[in-house]
Amino acid sequence: DVKVTQSSRYLVKRTGEKVFLECVQDMDHENMFWYRQDPGLGLRLIYFSYDVKMKEKGDIPEGYSVSREKKERFSLILESASTNQTSMYLCASSLIGAGTNTGELFFGEGSRLTVL
Amino acid sequence: GENVEQHPSTLSVQEGDSAVIKCTYSDSASNYFPWYKQELGKGPQLIIDIRSNVGEKKDQRIAVTLNKTAKHFSLHITETQPEDSAVYFCAATYGYALNFGKGTSLLVTP
Repeated sequence: DVKVTQSSRYLVKRTGEKVFLECVQDMDHENMFWYRQDPGLGLRLIYFSYDVKMKEKGDIPEGYSVSREKKERFSLILESASTNQTSMYLCASSLIGAGTNTGELFFGEGSRLTVL
Repeated sequence: GENVEQHPSTLSVQEGDSAVIKCTYSDSASNYFPWYKQELGKGPQLIIDIRSNVGEKKDQRIAVTLNKTAKHFSLHITETQPEDSAVYFCAATYGYALNFGKGTSLLVTP
């Protein structure tokens, strides 16, 4: 089975702190994604990566950055956390790496971040 | 990304009844339309998908229909069971990524 592992299920941080959310997938998938989930807003794409060291902005990249140094690992970085970044963060990966068809996304269980 | 609209936002049905969730999309280039189920405390999981060259697909109690001309697709769950209670998301491709609807919270009461 494909496994997408998010290192932290729950985090509490203070405003202004730098926050790292780590995600690892074990199926050699080319695509990796970070989504943010908020009640009533569904899943919104923050960033995605279709190859090592490649990244593309999604719909809501402001306040976030990402890093993909290895194929299996995709990190989401909040340079200076703010209270409006309190949310559930979901990492996902998919096999297909080219074209317009992303194929099935496999999600991790989520990281719930609270910024005080 | 392009919008994906999903309705209703909440749906309550009695066990054994059918449930229908509808989505519309705006990007005419979208060619893959998956449905995800999210149970409490878990990440979304794919339950069924349909590609643009197919009008309908069925897998046991769940089915999806696609009308590309009208840019809408629907999820149909028949003979609902309490374990079908969850949040359901539709999605449509947008380049490399998926745009998701806002979700439907389905409650199946015994």
